[in-house]
Amino acid sequence: AQTVTQSQPEMSVQEAETVTLSCTYDTSESNYYLFWYKQPPSRQMILVIRQEAYKQQNATENRFSVNFQKAAKSFSLKISDSQLGDTAMYFCAFMKRRWMTGNQFYFGTGTSLTVIP
Amino acid sequence: SQTIHQWPATLVQPVGSPLSLECTVEGTSNPNLYWYRQAAGRGLQLLFYSVGIGQISSEVPQNLSASRPQDRQFILSSKKLLLSDSGFYLCAWSVGVSYEQYFGPGTRLTVT
Repeated sequence: AQTVTQSQPEMSVQEAETVTLSCTYDTSESNYYLFWYKQPPSRQMILVIRQEAYKQQNATENRFSVNFQKAAKSFSLKISDSQLGDTAMYFCAFMKRRWMTGNQFYFGTGTSLTVIP
Repeated sequence: SQTIHQWPATLVQPVGSPLSLECTVEGTSNPNLYWYRQAAGRGLQLLFYSVGIGQISSEVPQNLSASRPQDRQFILSSKKLLLSDSGFYLCAWSVGVSYEQYFGPGTRLTVT
């Protein structure tokens, strides 16, 4: 079974500073994807960034970047120049590809991030 | 563009009453559909997923069931609600072998 672990239930960061959210996962799959989703107070889930397991290069989306360590099964999210709008719950997610039966997603328990003005 | 709708947005139901939550997707065909539950202080738990009409896979045995009567309609049901069914229910979709999921706005269910 796949498990996704986020060991930091809550974090805070000063506005304009950098913060890193941790995520580890456990799988025997070789073909999978990893994601970070953001859930602001509105509760709408928003995709932040994704990483294909077969790619060695770390994904980057503007102020968001990941540190993907495949051997260690680690997938951390770095937020640079934190903004007040980054305050949200962040979920790490693992997806295994299933061509005929549909992709399956597994989520961590989330990290609540507060950006302090 | 694709959109996903869920209703109702909030629901308060007594223990033992039935439940029906609906999710519909617009702007795409043959989506994979998912139901998740998010309990307070916890992550998302995958409840059901469907790759086509009438095809439902259950991830967790429980008091709930799901149906997909139409291509872009996914329904979550219960015959008798339990207190433990309270939570935030999210519907999501993805297309084909796409690796992204898109989420609906969610339904807040409180069982009293």
